[in-house]
Amino acid sequence: EAGVAQSPRYKIIEKRQSVAFWCNPISGHATLYWYQQILGQGPKLLIQFQNNGVVDDSQLPKDRFSAERLKGVDSTLKIQPAKLEDSAVYLCASTRSYEQYFGPGTRLTVT
Amino acid sequence: QKEVEQNSGPLSVPEGAIASLNCTYSDRGSQSFFWYRQYSGKSPELIMSIYSNGDKEDGRFTAQLNKASQYVSLLIRDSQPSDSATYLCAVNRGSTLGRLYFGRGTQLTVWP
Repeated sequence: EAGVAQSPRYKIIEKRQSVAFWCNPISGHATLYWYQQILGQGPKLLIQFQNNGVVDDSQLPKDRFSAERLKGVDSTLKIQPAKLEDSAVYLCASTRSYEQYFGPGTRLTVT
Repeated sequence: QKEVEQNSGPLSVPEGAIASLNCTYSDRGSQSFFWYRQYSGKSPELIMSIYSNGDKEDGRFTAQLNKASQYVSLLIRDSQPSDSATYLCAVNRGSTLGRLYFGRGTQLTVWP
């Protein structure tokens, strides 16, 4: 069974630029999550989708972050404009029930 | 009070020893508990899940849960250098498909 796919793996941008990340969950997993992991900390949830509907986006900085999950499969997370404090690893995870499985992540550096 | 707290590291043990990792959580209604292993520069990898009080064993790993004390632990027996990583405790507060709350992680080093 293929795991969660993410791209790109690395991205370097300047502050105030925009960036987008892509995620393809494990086949058959209806629930998809985006987490942000800052160096030295545990992952923190940004947004949760159930199929193509948003379940929880309470921690998403909506003035600059947006996410969508069209057709209930792939998802994109966008940051516009980026700030220095957005430098982190962005992790996508999916689940069928209780256990969440993570993709390889996208390491974002904002300069 | 943080949602999930882990014993501060780093933790260093010799090869063959038992490594003990601890985690406490604040929400008494939490239902599901997980341990993830994260190698440097990699994403978290699920290694154990536990849902009811008691012990759960999987190979060299044993997870222990005590809901009354709001405490979860992970024991690694016969520790190997390849176990050197950061171990993240994660808690699901009740919803089957709900978010996970993570601790900051405990860095484990197993020296030969």
